Amino acid sequence: EAGVTQFPSHSVIEKGQTVTLRCDPISGHDNLYWYRRVMGKEIKFLLHFVKESKQDESGMPNNRFLAERTGGTYSTLKVQPAELEDSGVYFCASSKQGTGNTIYFGEGSWLTVV
Amino acid sequence: GNSVTQMEGPVTLSEEAFLTINCTYTATGYPSLFWYVQYPGEGLQLLLKATKADDKGSNKGFEATYRKETTSFHLEKGSVQVSDSAVYFCALRPPAAGNKLTFGGGTRVLVKP
Repeated sequence: EAGVTQFPSHSVIEKGQTVTLRCDPISGHDNLYWYRRVMGKEIKFLLHFVKESKQDESGMPNNRFLAERTGGTYSTLKVQPAELEDSGVYFCASSKQGTGNTIYFGEGSWLTVV
Repeated sequence: GNSVTQMEGPVTLSEEAFLTINCTYTATGYPSLFWYVQYPGEGLQLLLKATKADDKGSNKGFEATYRKETTSFHLEKGSVQVSDSAVYFCALRPPAAGNKLTFGGGTRVLVKP
């Protein structure tokens, strides 16, 4: 069974440009999460989808970040326009329906804004 | 609010040495506690977990015991290998927070032959 996959694995963009990160969760997982780790700090929650609905987006830093999960399958996280402080690793994760189930993480998308 | 504090790294030690990574937490209620590991070039992997006080999680020779009285979940391994070199993250999931995880800052461990 394939794990959580993320694309691209690495991205270098200029300040002001747009980047779109994609996440394919484990098949059948209704829950999908985005987290990020910037500048060697702690990993922080961004948001949580249940199927196509945003369950919790309290961690989204500002309106330059837009997450979607059309059809309840894969998800995208767009940063527009990117700023230097957005550099870091963006992790996607998924879990089965309900709470208390193991959360599986992807390998992360490394974003560098120059 | 909820928070996790873990010892800063890097931690450098020799093969077969004893490893301890301290982790303490602040949370409302009785959270579930986790250790995740990120090996070089890979994603986060769940290493072990404990869901209630005095539970001991174990995996791959690593252990951690949920200590409610000291709000701690220290990670230990009796004899490390070079392949244990990674970044280790302590995390909690409060009962009322659904599936949201709160992570510590991560501890980089380097094991030398």
